[in-house]
Amino acid sequence: DMQMTQSPSSLSASVGDRVTITCRASQGISNHLAWYQHKPGTVPKLLIYAASTLQSGVPSRFSGSGSGTDFTLTISSLQPEDVATYFCQKYNSASYTFGQGTKLEIK
Amino acid sequence: QVQLQESGPGLVKPSETLSLTCTVSGGSISSYYWSWIRQPPGKGLEWIGYIYHDGSTNYNPSLKSRVTISVDTSKNQFSLRLSSVTAADTAVYYCGRPMLRELPGPFDIWGQGTMVTVSS
Repeated sequence: DMQMTQSPSSLSASVGDRVTITCRASQGISNHLAWYQHKPGTVPKLLIYAASTLQSGVPSRFSGSGSGTDFTLTISSLQPEDVATYFCQKYNSASYTFGQGTKLEIK
Repeated sequence: QVQLQESGPGLVKPSETLSLTCTVSGGSISSYYWSWIRQPPGKGLEWIGYIYHDGSTNYNPSLKSRVTISVDTSKNQFSLRLSSVTAADTAVYYCGRPMLRELPGPFDIWGQGTMVTVSS
């Protein structure tokens, strides 16, 4: 059974910091990996797909990298509006699997 | 612009069947893999299953024995039925559409979500 393991589960950083969240797949998934931002009371927002492609309208401080089993979401300079929970998601024709989420807060 | 709207009862009794409908507006239901996703309180997102406009389906193995997803192209709607519910099925239920036609890819369009509580 495919598992997506995110780390850390929570993170506190200062405005302007570089923030990195990782996601590991239990099996190779090529680049079929997406990242979402989810704020309370809103719907999840697609940030990155195909592991590293920025969705239209998403600020360039967000970036993604990785292939196979190990993936990274990076925020180059944390902003107050980035407070949210971030999820990775594996997708392909067989199924979707989400990571358990990383809750990001401002120090 | 395509919009999704979930509808259905907010309270379901244990052992009964949860039924929700997602209405697609601003576009056609054809050529996409339409999904149901849920998020229990304080927990992460869980994909439930998807349906293509031709009626073909794929379900999360952990829920497969209890899930049925159907489509009504004449109404531009697709529906979820989850049988034998327990408190563990209490969650916000979302419908979602992938960003590309003909492929079950990442979701760029989500419904606003509907809270379903399982309780007697």
